[in-house]
Amino acid sequence: DTGVSQNPRHKITKRGQNVTFRCDPISEHNRLYWYRQTLGQGPEFLTYFQNEAQLEKSRLLSDRFSAERPKGSFSTLEIQRTEQGDSAMYLCASSPDLLTQYFGPGTRLLVL
Amino acid sequence: KQEVTQIPAALSVPEGENLVLNCSFTDSAIYNLQWFRQDPGKGLTSLLLIQSSQREQTSGRLNASLDKSSGRSTLYIAASQPGDSATYLCVSRGNKLVFGAGTILRVKS
Repeated sequence: DTGVSQNPRHKITKRGQNVTFRCDPISEHNRLYWYRQTLGQGPEFLTYFQNEAQLEKSRLLSDRFSAERPKGSFSTLEIQRTEQGDSAMYLCASSPDLLTQYFGPGTRLLVL
Repeated sequence: KQEVTQIPAALSVPEGENLVLNCSFTDSAIYNLQWFRQDPGKGLTSLLLIQSSQREQTSGRLNASLDKSSGRSTLYIAASQPGDSATYLCVSRGNKLVFGAGTILRVKS
């Protein structure tokens, strides 16, 4: 399968713990996006990379959130000191251009 | 700020019916509009993308239309099947992708 992959698929953590998610994009795609989706809502944009450069961050991305794409390939999204409000599906997408995005299956986070 | 609204929020129909999902957006300055399908645990799958200069796109039993001047798009599904059951998301692309909250479709066999 050469699509976008995300790991882990599910994560349960206690409030205050740190979590890290990984996204492996389609190999030739230089654009990578992170979104957050809460129950009953569409995905909301978090941040965008072109190659290794983080070009845009949403105001939703508080200082507890950090994303990296160190070599312009895979990306990680870390949440520090998790809160119950962080419970959501975190989606990653990659794109070769500005026209469309290919989404991964998501990581579902539950903060207890 | 772009807002995308989808109506209805949920829809349940018997197999074989034709149906229409509606999407409205507040800012007509978009590059394109896209419809995605979201299945539980499987992320999002792109169905149709309509460029701002286009009026409609078709793929199999799906037809999507775009009216920029009125800020509306519709997704028409012909002869619905149980396998069409999913959440359908409308997405506008301006400077950012803005998603609607989705329409949850259930097709009963």
